Amino acid sequence: QVQLVQSGVEMKKPGASVKVSCKASGYTFTTFGITWVRQAPGQGLEWMGGISTYNGNTNYAQRVQGRVTMTTDTSTRTAYMELRDLKFDDTAVYYCARENVDGFDTWGQGTVVTVSS
Amino acid sequence: QSVLTQPPSVSAAPGQRVTISCSGSSSNIGSNFVSWYQRLPGTAPKLLIYENNQRPSGIPDRFSGSKSGSKSGTSATLDITGLQTGDEADYYCATWDNRLSAYVFGPGTKVTAL
Repeated sequence: QVQLVQSGVEMKKPGASVKVSCKASGYTFTTFGITWVRQAPGQGLEWMGGISTYNGNTNYAQRVQGRVTMTTDTSTRTAYMELRDLKFDDTAVYYCARENVDGFDTWGQGTVVTVSS
Repeated sequence: QSVLTQPPSVSAAPGQRVTISCSGSSSNIGSNFVSWYQRLPGTAPKLLIYENNQRPSGIPDRFSGSKSGSKSGTSATLDITGLQTGDEADYYCATWDNRLSAYVFGPGTKVTAL
């Protein structure tokens, strides 16, 4: 079945970087884009950006532009999201999701990223 | 602060109907399809509705979506009929915003079965 499996819990200090992976299975990886969404404690869902798994084109949200890089490795069917210069308010659960038509139809299980000194 | 507006919470007795509104503008809902997501406690979001009113396979027809009035209406609605205790979750509307060039989520609505 279609599945996205993300990497595990991360704890980082302010100013550090984190790289979250998202491994896809059960479908042709390059047919659907991957988007990244995060949810901070007590907050709603925030779109961070997306990447075309076909040609690598990216589109980042203004709030994280300049600190985020999204990439894919088609040989391993894995998408990555790297966030640099972490701040306390980057503490959140980070999700990858498959982009399908006009909706995100499959989600990873989420990766908890905690930024703490 | 989201560009989409949803009520913070709605509630109804089991078996009853709840309606969740999502209000936006011409640059988002007025120009693009709306989708709806359900986030049960401790789980990843789940797509309930896409393209305003389409259900992915496996989503029961108790869940229905609509977009107001004309093709360029700026609000959308999610209806849940026959409310079940298992429907208690946060519900988010979402769409693309042409002015922001970003995908935007509403702030979420907590549904409670009384």
